Amino acid sequence: GAVVSQHPSWVICKSGTSVKIECRSLDFQATTMFWYRQFPKQSLMLMATSNEGSKATYEQGVEKDKFLINHASLTLSTLTVTSAHPEDSSFYICSARAVTGGDTNEQFFGPGTRLTVL
Amino acid sequence: GQNIDQPTEMTATEGAIVQINCTYQTSGFNGLFWYQQHAGEAPTFLSYNVLDGLEEKGRFSSFLSRSKGYSYLLLKELQMKDSASYLCAVLDSNYQLIWGAGTKLIIKP
Repeated sequence: GAVVSQHPSWVICKSGTSVKIECRSLDFQATTMFWYRQFPKQSLMLMATSNEGSKATYEQGVEKDKFLINHASLTLSTLTVTSAHPEDSSFYICSARAVTGGDTNEQFFGPGTRLTVL
Repeated sequence: GQNIDQPTEMTATEGAIVQINCTYQTSGFNGLFWYQQHAGEAPTFLSYNVLDGLEEKGRFSSFLSRSKGYSYLLLKELQMKDSASYLCAVLDSNYQLIWGAGTKLIIKP
């Protein structure tokens, strides 16, 4: 099956620092990757949609200058949380949709990255 | 606006059957997904329905009625490991996933 990895799995950082999260599709090519944020006991919130080779599309209320997304190849997208603050502490999850999309339009999820900002 | 409704929490007994309902109102429809999410983990795919009817996959089945904007996930022979949140998500006309808030399923012995 399609596998998506994320690195790191968890990170603790000081307020004001930047954190980069990588999302990789290991055995398929992904034209589109999605970044989600999930706060405790809440559903996933889409932050942005990233297409390979073009600028990401951000959801309303998500600051593009704070959450930098780069999708440089068909297998890698990165999310950088710049000048992180405690309110950015959350569970960040990426997902990827295959180039062909198959017949299910399924998104394959990474295992998530838990970010704690002190 | 777009809206997906599912119960917040359900409780069932090990070995029993439980049905989790989902109703939706979205701009366009390109399929409905059910995902399972254990606490602290990312969602895992359970099912995808784009045509009306029942899709059976082992102990799990998913039903869709597009005219009613309604789906359900049926879990049979419940096991303790089925305790998790179950997320209903609809792919809208822009191929964006619209997520429900999830149903927390508690399985009791």
